[in-house]
Amino acid sequence: DQQVKQNSPSLSVQEGRISILNCDYTNSMFDYFLWYKKYPAEGPTFLISISSIKDKNEDGRFTVFLNKSAKHLSLHIVPSQPGDSAVYFCAAWDDGAGGTSYGKLTFGQGTILTVHP
Amino acid sequence: EAQVTQNPRYLITVTGKKLTVTCSQNMNHEYMSWYRQDPGLGLRQIYYSMNVEVTDKGDVPEGYKVSRKEKRNFPLILESPSPNQTSLYFCASSLWGLSGANVLTFGAGSRLTVL
Repeated sequence: DQQVKQNSPSLSVQEGRISILNCDYTNSMFDYFLWYKKYPAEGPTFLISISSIKDKNEDGRFTVFLNKSAKHLSLHIVPSQPGDSAVYFCAAWDDGAGGTSYGKLTFGQGTILTVHP
Repeated sequence: EAQVTQNPRYLITVTGKKLTVTCSQNMNHEYMSWYRQDPGLGLRQIYYSMNVEVTDKGDVPEGYKVSRKEKRNFPLILESPSPNQTSLYFCASSLWGLSGANVLTFGAGSRLTVL
């Protein structure tokens, strides 16, 4: 039962254009969403987050949008740069209101982004 | 430097030979967690700990044990490794706040192969 899904295994974009990475979730108890970036042979590093009470958060070239009614979030990278080429994971914290999942951070499968010069 | 340190980084072992992957953080974080990364499955949580002597199962705890005797250390124990535990393992830690915006810092990963 995959509660966080990234349905696109890979995405290829030209340098300077926009990259849009998508993530869907099923658990309405998720109250905080994060995006992590991972380079080969390294651990994931935090990129940007959004609370479930917001619909947008921006940090430089990175913007995350949240559509709670659709249980969908997306990460926009504008403009894309070759150094952005990495695996991107979306993740969600459970608020624990269900009584058993407090402290669980659930990740999606990841999307490999390749930005061509 | 603030970091999460895992050892060993690479290990090849045989079925049934007990092994421990160590994890240590120097940031005085309350929360620590273990994940495994497998192709097509992303990162799946094995166990997590909210503080010393407090541990709980994640989504894939079978075949693993953990302990949290000290705040900085969170070892992952495979009592009797099997080939399906061949994977890339990550330890992570974070401060723990009630706001929900808890950002994990990850170690560099430990690649384990069980023959």
